[in-house]
Amino acid sequence: ETGVTQTPRHLVMGMTNKKSLKCEQHLGHNAMYWYKQSAKKPLELMFVYNFKEQTENNSVPSRFSPECPNSSHLFLHLHTLQPEDSALYLCASSQDLGGGGNTIYFGEGSWLTVV
Amino acid sequence: GQNIDQPTEMTATEGAIVQINCTYQTSGFNGLFWYQQHAGEAPTFLSYNVLDGLEEKGRFSSFLSRSKGYSYLLLKELQMKDSASYLCAVSDSNYQLIWGAGTKLIIKP
Repeated sequence: ETGVTQTPRHLVMGMTNKKSLKCEQHLGHNAMYWYKQSAKKPLELMFVYNFKEQTENNSVPSRFSPECPNSSHLFLHLHTLQPEDSALYLCASSQDLGGGGNTIYFGEGSWLTVV
Repeated sequence: GQNIDQPTEMTATEGAIVQINCTYQTSGFNGLFWYQQHAGEAPTFLSYNVLDGLEEKGRFSSFLSRSKGYSYLLLKELQMKDSASYLCAVSDSNYQLIWGAGTKLIIKP
Protein backbone atom coordinates (compact mmCIF):
# COMPACT_ATOMS: atom_id res chain seq x y z
CA GLU A 1 0.00 0.00 0.00
CA THR A 2 1.72 3.15 -1.21
CA GLY A 3 -0.95 5.67 -0.27
CA VAL A 4 -1.81 6.22 -3.94
CA THR A 5 -4.66 4.12 -5.32
CA GLN A 6 -5.47 3.67 -8.99
CA THR A 7 -8.51 2.12 -10.66
CA PRO A 8 -9.02 0.17 -12.75
CA ARG A 9 -5.88 -1.93 -12.61
CA HIS A 10 -6.53 -3.33 -16.06
CA LEU A 11 -8.50 -1.84 -18.94
CA VAL A 12 -9.10 -3.05 -22.49
CA MET A 13 -10.78 -0.57 -24.79
CA GLY A 14 -11.55 -0.18 -28.44
CA MET A 15 -10.27 2.77 -30.42
CA THR A 16 -13.70 4.41 -30.45
CA ASN A 17 -14.42 3.98 -26.73
CA LYS A 18 -14.35 6.57 -23.99
CA LYS A 19 -13.03 5.53 -20.59
CA SER A 20 -11.41 7.11 -17.55
CA LEU A 21 -8.62 6.22 -15.18
CA LYS A 22 -8.96 7.29 -11.56
CA CYS A 23 -6.33 8.08 -8.97
CA GLU A 24 -6.69 8.94 -5.29
CA GLN A 25 -3.91 9.80 -2.87
CA HIS A 26 -4.23 9.53 0.90
CA LEU A 27 -0.95 11.24 1.76
CA GLY A 28 -2.05 14.85 2.04
CA HIS A 29 0.17 15.82 -0.87
CA ASN A 30 -0.28 18.94 -2.97
CA ALA A 31 1.10 17.75 -6.31
CA MET A 32 -0.16 14.92 -8.53
CA TYR A 33 1.19 13.45 -11.75
CA TRP A 34 0.32 11.17 -14.64
CA TYR A 35 3.15 9.13 -16.15
CA LYS A 36 3.18 6.69 -19.08
CA GLN A 37 5.42 3.63 -18.78
CA SER A 38 6.17 1.58 -21.91
CA ALA A 39 8.40 -1.48 -22.02
CA LYS A 40 12.10 -0.69 -21.94
CA LYS A 41 11.51 3.06 -22.15
CA PRO A 42 11.97 5.78 -19.53
CA LEU A 43 8.94 7.00 -17.66
CA GLU A 44 7.22 9.73 -19.65
CA LEU A 45 5.73 12.59 -17.68
CA MET A 46 2.33 13.49 -19.10
CA PHE A 47 0.65 15.96 -16.75
CA VAL A 48 1.40 17.72 -13.48
CA TYR A 49 -1.07 19.33 -11.10
CA ASN A 50 -0.22 21.46 -8.09
CA PHE A 51 -3.03 22.50 -5.74
CA LYS A 52 -5.53 21.34 -8.41
CA GLU A 53 -3.99 23.58 -11.09
CA GLN A 54 -2.32 22.08 -14.13
CA THR A 55 1.28 23.21 -14.26
CA GLU A 56 2.60 20.97 -17.00
CA ASN A 57 1.36 19.30 -20.15
CA ASN A 58 4.21 17.57 -21.93
CA SER A 59 2.85 17.82 -25.46
CA VAL A 60 0.37 15.06 -24.78
CA PRO A 61 -2.16 14.37 -27.56
CA SER A 62 -5.63 15.74 -26.91
CA ARG A 63 -7.08 12.22 -26.82
CA PHE A 64 -5.78 12.23 -23.24
CA SER A 65 -7.63 14.69 -21.04
CA PRO A 66 -6.74 15.14 -17.36
CA GLU A 67 -9.02 16.37 -14.61
CA CYS A 68 -8.13 17.29 -11.05
CA PRO A 69 -11.22 18.18 -8.98
CA ASN A 70 -9.23 18.47 -5.73
CA SER A 71 -5.75 17.81 -4.39
CA SER A 72 -6.56 14.18 -3.58
CA HIS A 73 -8.12 13.04 -6.86
CA LEU A 74 -6.87 12.89 -10.41
CA PHE A 75 -8.52 11.48 -13.52
CA LEU A 76 -7.29 10.70 -16.98
CA HIS A 77 -10.08 10.68 -19.56
CA LEU A 78 -9.37 8.60 -22.64
CA HIS A 79 -11.05 8.80 -26.04
CA THR A 80 -10.30 7.63 -29.56
CA LEU A 81 -7.01 6.10 -28.47
CA GLN A 82 -4.53 4.37 -30.75
CA PRO A 83 -2.93 0.92 -30.29
CA GLU A 84 0.41 2.60 -29.54
CA ASP A 85 -1.20 4.15 -26.46
CA SER A 86 -1.23 0.71 -24.85
CA ALA A 87 1.00 1.02 -21.80
CA LEU A 88 1.06 1.20 -18.02
CA TYR A 89 -0.27 4.53 -16.76
CA LEU A 90 1.09 5.53 -13.40
CA CYS A 91 -0.35 8.12 -11.09
CA ALA A 92 1.95 9.70 -8.52
CA SER A 93 1.96 12.37 -5.85
CA SER A 94 4.47 14.43 -3.91
CA GLN A 95 4.29 16.86 -1.03
CA ASP A 96 5.10 19.83 -3.25
CA LEU A 97 6.50 20.66 -6.63
CA GLY A 98 10.17 21.34 -6.88
CA GLY A 99 12.69 20.92 -4.16
CA GLY A 100 15.61 18.62 -4.72
CA GLY A 101 14.54 15.95 -2.28
CA ASN A 102 10.89 15.98 -3.29
CA THR A 103 10.09 12.27 -3.27
CA ILE A 104 7.39 11.03 -5.62
CA TYR A 105 5.07 8.22 -4.50
CA PHE A 106 3.51 6.07 -7.20
CA GLY A 107 0.31 4.13 -7.49
CA GLU A 108 0.41 0.58 -8.83
CA GLY A 109 -0.69 1.69 -12.26
CA SER A 110 -3.45 0.99 -14.74
CA TRP A 111 -2.57 -1.41 -17.53
CA LEU A 112 -4.24 -0.12 -20.68
CA THR A 113 -4.65 -2.17 -23.84
CA VAL A 114 -6.14 -0.50 -26.90
CA VAL A 115 -7.55 -2.91 -29.47
CA GLY B 1 19.54 16.93 -24.67
CA GLN B 2 19.14 15.32 -21.30
CA ASN B 3 20.03 11.68 -20.93
CA ILE B 4 20.18 8.95 -18.31
CA ASP B 5 21.96 5.68 -19.11
CA GLN B 6 21.72 2.45 -17.18
CA PRO B 7 22.15 -1.17 -18.26
CA THR B 8 19.03 -2.85 -19.57
CA GLU B 9 19.44 -6.09 -17.68
CA MET B 10 21.76 -7.70 -15.14
CA THR B 11 21.93 -11.16 -13.60
CA ALA B 12 23.36 -12.00 -10.19
CA THR B 13 23.40 -14.90 -7.75
CA GLU B 14 21.54 -15.10 -4.47
CA GLY B 15 23.79 -14.04 -1.59
CA ALA B 16 26.17 -12.11 -3.84
CA ILE B 17 26.70 -8.37 -4.40
CA VAL B 18 25.62 -6.44 -7.48
CA GLN B 19 26.30 -2.87 -8.59
CA ILE B 20 23.89 -1.09 -10.94
CA ASN B 21 25.40 1.94 -12.63
CA CYS B 22 23.71 5.11 -13.82
CA THR B 23 25.33 7.90 -15.81
CA TYR B 24 23.58 11.15 -16.55
CA GLN B 25 23.83 14.29 -18.63
CA THR B 26 21.30 16.88 -17.54
CA SER B 27 20.84 20.63 -17.53
CA GLY B 28 21.58 21.24 -13.88
CA PHE B 29 21.44 18.82 -11.00
CA ASN B 30 19.26 18.81 -7.91
CA GLY B 31 19.70 15.26 -6.77
CA LEU B 32 19.47 11.69 -7.96
CA PHE B 33 16.85 9.11 -7.01
CA TRP B 34 16.77 5.33 -7.15
CA TYR B 35 13.46 3.48 -7.26
CA GLN B 36 12.67 -0.23 -7.19
CA GLN B 37 9.81 -1.63 -9.25
CA HIS B 38 8.65 -5.22 -8.98
CA ALA B 39 6.79 -6.58 -11.98
CA GLY B 40 3.21 -5.36 -11.98
CA GLU B 41 3.73 -3.09 -8.98
CA ALA B 42 4.36 0.58 -8.23
CA PRO B 43 7.88 2.00 -8.27
CA THR B 44 8.96 2.52 -4.67
CA PHE B 45 11.54 5.00 -3.40
CA LEU B 46 14.93 3.58 -2.40
CA SER B 47 17.35 6.47 -2.05
CA TYR B 48 18.17 10.09 -2.77
CA ASN B 49 21.69 11.51 -3.21
CA VAL B 50 22.49 15.17 -3.66
CA LEU B 51 26.05 15.30 -2.28
CA ASP B 52 29.01 13.22 -3.40
CA GLY B 53 29.66 10.05 -1.55
CA LEU B 54 28.05 6.86 -0.34
CA GLU B 55 24.71 6.62 1.44
CA GLU B 56 24.10 3.30 3.16
CA LYS B 57 20.68 1.99 4.04
CA GLY B 58 20.74 -1.61 5.21
CA ARG B 59 21.64 -3.96 2.37
CA PHE B 60 21.33 -1.15 -0.17
CA SER B 61 23.81 1.67 -0.72
CA SER B 62 23.85 4.47 -3.27
CA PHE B 63 26.88 6.40 -4.46
CA LEU B 64 27.12 9.70 -6.28
CA SER B 65 29.90 11.54 -8.11
CA ARG B 66 28.58 14.82 -9.47
CA SER B 67 31.81 15.66 -11.29
CA LYS B 68 31.58 12.40 -13.24
CA GLY B 69 27.81 12.46 -13.70
CA TYR B 70 27.71 8.99 -12.20
CA SER B 71 25.86 7.02 -9.58
CA TYR B 72 25.55 3.42 -8.60
CA LEU B 73 23.21 1.35 -6.49
CA LEU B 74 24.92 -1.43 -4.55
CA LEU B 75 22.87 -4.37 -3.35
CA LYS B 76 24.49 -6.75 -0.86
CA GLU B 77 23.48 -10.22 0.32
CA LEU B 78 21.11 -10.56 -2.59
CA GLN B 79 17.78 -12.21 -1.98
CA MET B 80 15.34 -13.61 -4.50
CA LYS B 81 12.90 -10.81 -3.64
CA ASP B 82 15.45 -8.30 -4.98
CA SER B 83 14.54 -9.41 -8.50
CA ALA B 84 12.99 -6.23 -9.87
CA SER B 85 13.67 -3.26 -12.11
CA TYR B 86 15.74 -0.43 -10.67
CA LEU B 87 15.05 3.07 -11.97
CA CYS B 88 17.51 5.95 -11.83
CA ALA B 89 16.15 9.51 -12.04
CA VAL B 90 17.83 12.91 -11.87
CA SER B 91 16.21 16.15 -10.75
CA ASP B 92 17.35 18.83 -13.21
CA SER B 93 17.73 22.60 -12.80
CA ASN B 94 13.94 23.02 -13.00
CA TYR B 95 13.38 20.17 -10.50
CA GLN B 96 11.97 18.06 -13.32
CA LEU B 97 12.72 14.35 -12.96
CA ILE B 98 14.62 12.85 -15.89
CA TRP B 99 14.25 9.06 -15.87
CA GLY B 100 16.41 6.23 -17.09
CA ALA B 101 14.79 3.25 -18.81
CA GLY B 102 15.48 1.04 -15.80
CA THR B 103 17.68 -1.99 -15.14
CA LYS B 104 16.00 -5.37 -14.83
CA LEU B 105 17.84 -7.37 -12.17
CA ILE B 106 17.46 -11.15 -12.27
CA ILE B 107 18.54 -13.09 -9.20
CA LYS B 108 19.40 -16.77 -9.66
CA PRO B 109 19.59 -19.33 -6.84
